[in-house]
Amino acid sequence: AQSVTQPDIHITVSEGASLELRCNYSYGATPYLFWYVQSPGQGLQLLLKYFSGDTLVQGIKGFEAEFKRSQSSFNLRKPSVHWSDAAEYFCAVGAGGSYIPTFGRGTSLIVHP
Amino acid sequence: DAGVIQSPRHEVTEMGQEVTLRCKPISGHNSLFWYRQTMMRGLELLIYFNNNVPIDDSGMPEDRFSAKMPNASFSTLKIQPSEPRDSAVYFCASSPPDRGHGYTFGSGTRLTVV
Repeated sequence: AQSVTQPDIHITVSEGASLELRCNYSYGATPYLFWYVQSPGQGLQLLLKYFSGDTLVQGIKGFEAEFKRSQSSFNLRKPSVHWSDAAEYFCAVGAGGSYIPTFGRGTSLIVHP
Repeated sequence: DAGVIQSPRHEVTEMGQEVTLRCKPISGHNSLFWYRQTMMRGLELLIYFNNNVPIDDSGMPEDRFSAKMPNASFSTLKIQPSEPRDSAVYFCASSPPDRGHGYTFGSGTRLTVV
């Protein structure tokens, strides 16, 4: 079965600084990989996804993520963080015949002015 | 499209009462999923439907939980009787036939059982 690890429970950055959120997955073959964002009191919104092709994927809100097979990682990045990016971020891996995602525990992003 | 619509947004009920959560998926999406989110356990998949048929309910915690999807545009998750440990945010999500495009989540129902 697949699994996802988000090593950082909380990340604090200053507005305007760069951001990288870590995600490691466990699965024997190439999985579908997703990043979702959850604002307080809201559902999860898809930021970006990877399932084949270019290993650097662009998403909404200026986010990007890079799939590194050798490291079993799919880290999320943003060059300059805005205060509105403060939220909970979830990495997910979908694998097997159903591709139903298994979610990580999430990383809470705090943005200081 | 209005997205995935869940109701109610908030529900407070007394222990032992029946609770029904509702979900309307996006038109054209043929898969529907119920998740539960808690601080302790994160996001857990409870059950999912494909073309209105329950495929995997192994995540349903107990017989007190049941879910139905009578048609392509409506699903319910019922808890009877409810217990305080059922307090959580319950999300419904739907996806098109090609699940590689990701899911669309509703805004959730925050359930509090007192």
